[in-house]
Formats: sequence, C-alpha cells, structure tokens
Amino acid sequence: NAGVTQTPKFRILKIGQSMTLQCTQDMNHNYMYWYRQDPGMGLKLIYYSVGAGITDKGEVPNGYNVSRSTTEDFPLRLELAAPSQTSVYFCATSGGVYEQYFGPGTRLTVT
Amino acid sequence: GENVEQHPSTLSVQEGDSAVIKCTYSDSASNYFPWYKQELGKRPQLIIDIRSNVGEKKDQRIAVTLNKTAKHFSLHITETQPEDSAVYFCAASKASGTYKYIFGTGTRLKVLA
Repeated sequence: NAGVTQTPKFRILKIGQSMTLQCTQDMNHNYMYWYRQDPGMGLKLIYYSVGAGITDKGEVPNGYNVSRSTTEDFPLRLELAAPSQTSVYFCATSGGVYEQYFGPGTRLTVT
Repeated sequence: GENVEQHPSTLSVQEGDSAVIKCTYSDSASNYFPWYKQELGKRPQLIIDIRSNVGEKKDQRIAVTLNKTAKHFSLHITETQPEDSAVYFCAASKASGTYKYIFGTGTRLKVLA
C-alpha cells in the first residue's frame, strides 16, 4: 500500500501561472484534506472533502479550488499564483473521526 | 473563532531530561486530541492521541494528559533522546461531523546531547 501520495514534490511557479497539485490515496478513506504549512508555522486547512462529490472550504480557501470525483483522488488547483502561496502543501486522509494520515508534501515557490 | 494555543514555541532540554508541551483549546465540543511529530522536511506523523473520555494515556516514554474542565492538554516526553528533536503539533477536533482539526502553531524541541 502506498498510503497517501502527492505529486509533484517540488515546483517553482511564476506569478500568475496556474497548476494542480495531485493527491491520491489507496486507503479507501472517505475524508480528505488539503493543508498549507508556511515556514515555521502550523498547518492551515485549505479545503476538505467528506466523500466523492462533496467538498467544502477550510480556514484559508482563497486562491484555491478542489474537486473530488473519486474516493482516491483529491486535486488542489491554484489559479493565478501569488507569492503569498509559497508554502508546503500537505494532503491528508482519514477514515473517520480519528487519525489523519499525511502525504509527503509538495514544496511550492511562487516568484 | 475556535483556536488552539500551544506553548512554548521552542524548547531545549538536556538529553535524559523531560519535556512538556501544553495546549489550550477553545471549542468545548472538541473530543479528540492528537499529537503529531514533524521532523525536518518530513510529513507530520501521529505519535499519540487522547479522546475526551480519558484523562491520561501513556505509550512508553510519551504521555498525554487532558483536563476537559480547563480545556487544556499536555504532551510529556521522559528520558529525552536526540532523535526526539523535531517540531511537535497538537490539534483538537472540531465536533461538527466533518472530522476537521484545528492545529496548534507547533513547538520546536531540541534535545541537547
């Protein structure tokens, strides 16, 4: 089992460009989450999903979009990248109320 | 809004000493409190958790205590070792049925050999 995988590992974007961060899980978990972690800071929830076809905003959704067409995949879309979106992005999954399992992260720099 | 405060932000201890990290939460409906360890450049990984119907939980050198009345919980690491050096995050669940967490801002623990 791969668990939670994320691609790419690293990416440099120019201001105004767009990209999609991929997250895939093989744990058959219904709940999936996207967090961002700024340097030296905690984790802020961007978007989450409680199942295929259902998504909702977290604490910091502006500038991002998500979709959840399957249980396995939860891509995060950045439109019109800004320097403020420079961060490490973590995808996580959960089978319910307890432990969240994190992917390895994507380190994004916007210049 | 709901938040989780975590203290201290940095902590240095001598190898073999104990370390204590404290968190306070605001949502009285929170019922699950995990602690994650994040090594440099790695993903957060769960090290211990506690549910609201329990006051204390121990796993070898690591323990967590919960005071629901005061709305705070603490991580205790005994006999610290250099490999315990990392950033530790507490979190509290939001009891809204969506299984979301609010994370603390993290504590950077450095164990000095």
